Amino acid sequence: DAKTTQPPSMDCAEGRAANLPCNHSTISGNEYVYWYRQIHSQGPQYIIHGLKNNETNEMASLIITEDRKSSTLILPHATLRDTAVYYCIAPGTGNQFYFGTGTSLTVIP
Amino acid sequence: GAGVSQTPSNKVTEKGKYVELRCDPISGHTALYWYRQSLGQGPEFLIYFQGTGAADDSGLPNDRFFAVRPEGSVSTLKIQRTERGDSAMYLCASSLDTGFYNEQFFGPGTRLTVL
Repeated sequence: DAKTTQPPSMDCAEGRAANLPCNHSTISGNEYVYWYRQIHSQGPQYIIHGLKNNETNEMASLIITEDRKSSTLILPHATLRDTAVYYCIAPGTGNQFYFGTGTSLTVIP
Repeated sequence: GAGVSQTPSNKVTEKGKYVELRCDPISGHTALYWYRQSLGQGPEFLIYFQGTGAADDSGLPNDRFFAVRPEGSVSTLKIQRTERGDSAMYLCASSLDTGFYNEQFFGPGTRLTVL
């Protein structure tokens, strides 16, 4: 089962890109990487997922290194509402998610 | 609503009491998960259902915790003889569980406080 490592906290100026890194060096070849975020007192919200290729949706972009040992979530134009805890997740063989403690992102006006 | 719902949203109980927490998954989702989240921590896995059966209950902390999903839809997490350390946010998620891809949809959670 892959585990992930993220910095505990980051700041980002409003309107700038937020780049959140994640290490998942033990990920296996068929395990997706998922990103969720959690705004205070709410349930986790899905952002994006990827396997090998870079991905983009209306919320974010996901850059996965060629060796799949790390990835970066990019919020292209951070807003104050993006302040949240961001989790990089690689699921276990039993499909449960290992969340870790995530990265607390603060967007500064 | 089309999302995962959990009831109650808040539950306050006294030490030693029994509580039940309910989860209504998204219709058609065969997989259902329970997680527990303590303050300042990420959610921690408790149990995973595939249909009616518990496919993995390795995250349940002890035998005071039990969960059922008798008809493969609604699930109930049951906690006996509650302790103050059981105070946490209990989250439920569901997914289609189509194999390697397994996006989980989370409910708003039930905040349990044991006095």
